[in-house]
Amino acid sequence: LAKTTQPISMDSYEGQEVNITCSHNNIATNDYITWYQQFPSQGPRFIIQGYKTKVTNEVASLFIPADRKSSTLSLPRVSLSDTAVYYCLVVLNNAGNMLTFGGGTRLMVKP
Amino acid sequence: DAGITQSPRHKVTETGTPVTLRCHQTENHRYMYWYRQDPGHGLRLIHYSYGVKDTDKGEVSDGYSVSRSKTEDFLLTLESATSSQTSVYFCATATGQGVRNTEAFFGQGTRLTVV
Repeated sequence: LAKTTQPISMDSYEGQEVNITCSHNNIATNDYITWYQQFPSQGPRFIIQGYKTKVTNEVASLFIPADRKSSTLSLPRVSLSDTAVYYCLVVLNNAGNMLTFGGGTRLMVKP
Repeated sequence: DAGITQSPRHKVTETGTPVTLRCHQTENHRYMYWYRQDPGHGLRLIHYSYGVKDTDKGEVSDGYSVSRSKTEDFLLTLESATSSQTSVYFCATATGQGVRNTEAFFGQGTRLTVV
C-alpha cells in the first residue's frame, strides 16, 4: 500500500488560499488520490479525488503532477469554518477498496 | 447523509467483558469499514468488508473480530475488552464505484470506555 506523508499542522488566515501537499512516492499505477476533511467529534467527509492533472469541485482543487508522487489540495479563500484535519489517502480501487488514513494535517484558520 | 447508524453511541464496559458494536446501513453499499480514533491521532483501520461474509484485517486488528452476515450490517466485536481499546469507533461505507469511487460515508461514531 502506498504510504502518504503530509505536514502535521498548518496555520492560515481568513481569506487566504491554503495549499496542503501530500507525498506518496510509491504510488502504483491503479491508485487514486483522495482527500478527506474531519471536524472535531465527527467522522471524516470526502472532499475530492483525482488520478492525474487537476481536478476542481465546489470545495477545493487537487493538483497532481505527471509523476503522481505528490499531490496538493488547494482551498481557496479559507474561512474559520475550514479549521479541521485534512487527510490524504492513496486508494487502490480493486476488490479490496482498502481506505487507510494517516495522521492528517491539522489546519488552523485564524481571523 | 448516507443512512449509516452506529449503535450504541456511548458505552462503558469493564475490562475482560465482550463488547459488540453495530453498524447498520441503508445504502446497499458494498464496502464497510471499522476505524478507531484516539485523541490527537488519525483514524486507524481495524477491519473492513468487501461483501457479505468477505472481510479482511486492517492496520490494528488484534483483539477485534468482525462479521457481516448481510449487506446492511457490519459488527465489530471486542472479545475481551481492555483499557487500550478505549476509543472512538467509526463505521464507514462505500460503493467503490463511479467517479467518486473512493468516497466513504461515515457514521456518527461510538465512544467506548473500558474501565
